[in-house]
Amino acid sequence: QQQVKQSPQSLIVQKGGISIINCAYENTAFDYFPWYQQFPGKGPALLIAIRPDVSEKKEGRFTISFNKSAKQFSLHIMDSQPGDSATYFCAAIWGSGAGSYQLTFGKGTKLSVIP
Amino acid sequence: GAVVSQHPSRVICKSGTSVKIECRSLDFQATTMFWYRQFPKKSLMLMATSNEGSKATYEQGVEKDKFLINHASLTLSTLTVTSAHPEDSSFYICSALLRTSGSSYNEQFFGPGTRLTVL
Repeated sequence: QQQVKQSPQSLIVQKGGISIINCAYENTAFDYFPWYQQFPGKGPALLIAIRPDVSEKKEGRFTISFNKSAKQFSLHIMDSQPGDSATYFCAAIWGSGAGSYQLTFGKGTKLSVIP
Repeated sequence: GAVVSQHPSRVICKSGTSVKIECRSLDFQATTMFWYRQFPKKSLMLMATSNEGSKATYEQGVEKDKFLINHASLTLSTLTVTSAHPEDSSFYICSALLRTSGSSYNEQFFGPGTRLTVL
């Protein structure tokens, strides 16, 4: 059972456009939702994350929108640049404090920003 | 953010040999580290959770005798691929869990990965 569903699998956006990647989750126990950016041959790097009690979080050109009732969240990249071309993974985490911890990744979206 | 390193970044070995990969948290102590495997154009697949001072917890389908994990200190975990075969060729990524006091949200920081090629 895939706990975090991510779409689209690949995305091509023109430079300056908006890139939108969507994720949906099943488990309401998830309590933290990060997005990771991964360049070829490198490990994932945390891009931005959101808590479920917040509907939107913005950091520079990157915005997460969160819809708790629909159990969906999305990443928006404004003014997309060729340097943003990478694979993006959404993730859902449950486990806070000193207790159990689990991170579940989406399958990833390969973003290509063309000049 | 916190930094996690991996060594080596790339290794080529002959079939039947063993390979050790190190994962270090450079500026924080991590009681919990994770080992992932990633196939081309795929997501990260969790192999095992490594807890300092105790045995690792392996995910279903991962051979614990093949993938030996040791977490001997709060900043170092190692993954040894024993008797490696070509099908073990993959990108191996570790991560370290930073538990922050006073915050409800623990952060996971990833290493740069190790490309293993078994000939």
